[in-house]
Amino acid sequence: GIQVEQSPPDLILQEGANSTLRCNFSDSVNNLQWFHQNPWGQLINLFYIPSGTKQNGRLSATTVATERYSLLYISSSQTTDSGVYFCVGIQGAQKLVFGQGTRLTINP
Amino acid sequence: NAGVTQTPKFRILKIGQSMTLQCAQDMNHNYMYWYRQDPGMGLKLIYYSVGAGITDKGEVPNGYNVSRSTTEDFPLRLELAAPSQTSVYFCASSYFGAGGGYTFGSGTRLTVV
Repeated sequence: GIQVEQSPPDLILQEGANSTLRCNFSDSVNNLQWFHQNPWGQLINLFYIPSGTKQNGRLSATTVATERYSLLYISSSQTTDSGVYFCVGIQGAQKLVFGQGTRLTINP
Repeated sequence: NAGVTQTPKFRILKIGQSMTLQCAQDMNHNYMYWYRQDPGMGLKLIYYSVGAGITDKGEVPNGYNVSRSTTEDFPLRLELAAPSQTSVYFCASSYFGAGGGYTFGSGTRLTVV
């Protein structure tokens, strides 16, 4: 079946620091997305990135499909970046399979 | 444009009771989904639908039922609630082929006592 593994499980940083979150996924994943779940529980779509690199402000993501991994970069972290970041594999008929998440805490 | 609307936001059920979680989207998305999120965990797919009249099971369908009579609505029915169904439930929708057009509702927090 589809497998999505994220690391690290937890990350605590000071405001202004940079971070890299990693996602490894199995062969059955055809597409990949990154979501942010904020402390209020809302799920926000960050990137749809089956391959290549995308950037949106301080966030960027790279997926190397041939090696089955994706990276999410957060630069100049702000306290509002806190929350859980999910890597999500997409299989077949648009079914999303979530990784276990990376819990990011940004301290002021 | 409301996006995906879930009701209720919170609910407490007694063991053995039944209820329906409502989900509606106004974006004309053809795909809709129900997920559950247990504390400290990722989301698991319960059921999904690729269009009106078509539904299919996800990873954890036992104890739940769904229907999709219209494009807009995708209710989730819990029959004979059990403590194991205590969770936060998210409804989502997407456009087939849009890739990345997933929109989530704000969630329903359900406690079964």
